[in-house]
Amino acid sequence: EVVLTQSPGTLSLSPGEGATLSCRTSQTVSSSFVAWYQQKPGQAPRLLIYATSTRATGIPDRFSGSGSGTDFTLTISRLEPEDFVIYFCQYGSSQGFTFGPGTKVEIK
Amino acid sequence: QVQLVQSGAEVKKSGASVKVSCKASGYIFPDFFLHWVRQAPGQGLEWMGWISPDSGSAVYAQKFQGRVTMTRDSSISAVYMELSRLRSDDAAVYYCARYHGYDKRLDFWGQGTPVTVSS
Repeated sequence: EVVLTQSPGTLSLSPGEGATLSCRTSQTVSSSFVAWYQQKPGQAPRLLIYATSTRATGIPDRFSGSGSGTDFTLTISRLEPEDFVIYFCQYGSSQGFTFGPGTKVEIK
Repeated sequence: QVQLVQSGAEVKKSGASVKVSCKASGYIFPDFFLHWVRQAPGQGLEWMGWISPDSGSAVYAQKFQGRVTMTRDSSISAVYMELSRLRSDDAAVYYCARYHGYDKRLDFWGQGTPVTVSS
């Protein structure tokens, strides 16, 4: 089973700053199957990025994804107030799905 | 528009079973697998398994095998997740999510169903 690790656990930043969130997989995986989700309090997760770097429908272009092999990154170029929530990475395979533990982006 | 609407909150006793429904609309029901994911209070996301609405076949995460059953009713475009022998650590919000098989993403999610387990 592929294990996902996210860092940092919490990121303290100010609105307008950029954010870099990391997701590391326990083995080399296909970049086609790595996704990122955003979750606001009391809401279901929302798909942000899939296939490592493709933005889902309606996602602003301040969100971008990159990576390959075992290292993947979600970048938020300029944090808006609504971006201070939790982000999960995910890897999917024919055997199942795994999620990272999440990174919380909080206001500094 | 694609919608997944789940059944309401449940309160169950330890040892009992819970059955959560997820009704799909806005797309061709047989064309997309549906997954179940749960989230304990303050915790991360835990994948439970998936079901093919077309064939009815299901794949379960190893952790839940023997305790979870996923079924569907194509006549009403609904899937169900039943978890038996509930324990206190099964208390969580349970989500269904539509699966895009080509790139293995979960593109639409239900609103979630909170399940409370009491002793």
